[in-house]
This record gives sequence, structure tokens and C-alpha cells, in this order.
Amino acid sequence: QLVLTQSPSASASLGASVKLTCTLSSGHSNYAIAWHQQQPEKGPRFLMKLNTDGSHIKGDGIPDRFSCSSSGAERYLTISSLQSEDEADYYCQTWGTGIRVFGGGTKLTVL
Amino acid sequence: EVQLVESGGGLVQPGGSLRLSCAASGFTFSSYWMHWVRQAPGKGLVWVSRINTDGSSTTYADSVKGRFTISRDNAKNTLYLQMNSLRAEDTAVYYCVREMDTIPDYWGQGTLVTVSS
Repeated sequence: QLVLTQSPSASASLGASVKLTCTLSSGHSNYAIAWHQQQPEKGPRFLMKLNTDGSHIKGDGIPDRFSCSSSGAERYLTISSLQSEDEADYYCQTWGTGIRVFGGGTKLTVL
Repeated sequence: EVQLVESGGGLVQPGGSLRLSCAASGFTFSSYWMHWVRQAPGKGLVWVSRINTDGSSTTYADSVKGRFTISRDNAKNTLYLQMNSLRAEDTAVYYCVREMDTIPDYWGQGTLVTVSS
């Protein structure tokens, strides 16, 4: 079964960097994923798609502070120079046969 | 400017029906696959359904299969979700999302559906 696992919460200080992790279930370690951000009381926003070859495509207006990478079944979203507006929920998402699957989301707190 | 504007949400009794709409503008609607994604209060995002560019292919999450129907009118640049036999667990904000070449790059602002007696 295709499942994405995310830690429920993370925190980091203003100006620091943070790396969020999304883990693909066994047998699906070569899947591409997308990252979405949801700020409080807002709809989600597409951040970027991480392809299986390591390339990525960013959404409109997404700053360079946001980057992505992968290792094995793990997919990472790194946010550098954290700002207060980065405090949000972050969801990874992937593609199954005819379906889309979301991770449970990580709530990022900027201290 | 790309815009996706959902409407049609509201309060409905269990067992009732509701039709959501998503009005698209600022892009060639007929070139994009479209999805519905929902979010129960305080919970995460859950994919509901998707439709291809001409409406000839649709898929659904198991939780809504047989009760919800996704459709589109490319002449009106509008996506729909017909929801029947609604249950309390369908209570959520419903978002429409556009996707091209597996890039889900724009979301609407959502419409709230509350199923309660």
C-alpha cells in the first residue's frame, strides 16, 4: 500500500534552517513527490515537485530558501533562513495508479 | 492570473446531497486534469477524486466511491463534485486543484461542507 509518512511536528529558530522528511512506503521508494504548504487559515500552496531523477520544479513565486532532495525512500524539504511566515503545515503528496496520496503533514513552528 | 474559486458548500443533513462547483479562470481549463481534495476540521489533506481533460476518465477515493461524482464543463470552465448520501465524516473544506504533467500547481481557497442534523 502506498503510504507517505511525515513527523507530526518540527520546530526551528528564526533565521535557522530546517529539514522536513517524508518517507515512502516499502516498494515505492522510487516515486516522485510534491510538497505543499498550508499557512494558518489559508488554502494549500504548491511548493515544488521532486522528480525521480532528482530534478525539481518549483511553484510560482517560491523563494530560493525552499529546496528539496532525496535519499532512498526519504524525501526532504529544506527551508533555510526561516521567516515567521514559514510557520505552517507542510504536506508531501505522491501519485498512485489513478489516485493521489498525501502524507499526514508536519506542523512547523518557527521559534 | 490563475484563479480557482469553489462554491456550493453549506450545511446539509445526513443522507442529503450537495453539488460543489469550481470556477476556473486565467488559464486554459480544458488542458488540465482537475482534482478535489478535502480537509476535515483540524485534520490533514485527503485526495477525493480526479478527472482528465475531457471528462472521459475519473477516479475516486474508496471512501466516496459510489456516492460522489466528479464532472466538468470545459465550455463553462467549471469543475463539479456531486455529493450524494452525505455522512458526518464528509464534513470538510473541499478544495479544487489543477494538475498538468503531474504538477499540481494551483489550489482554490476551498468551500466548507458541514453534514449535520
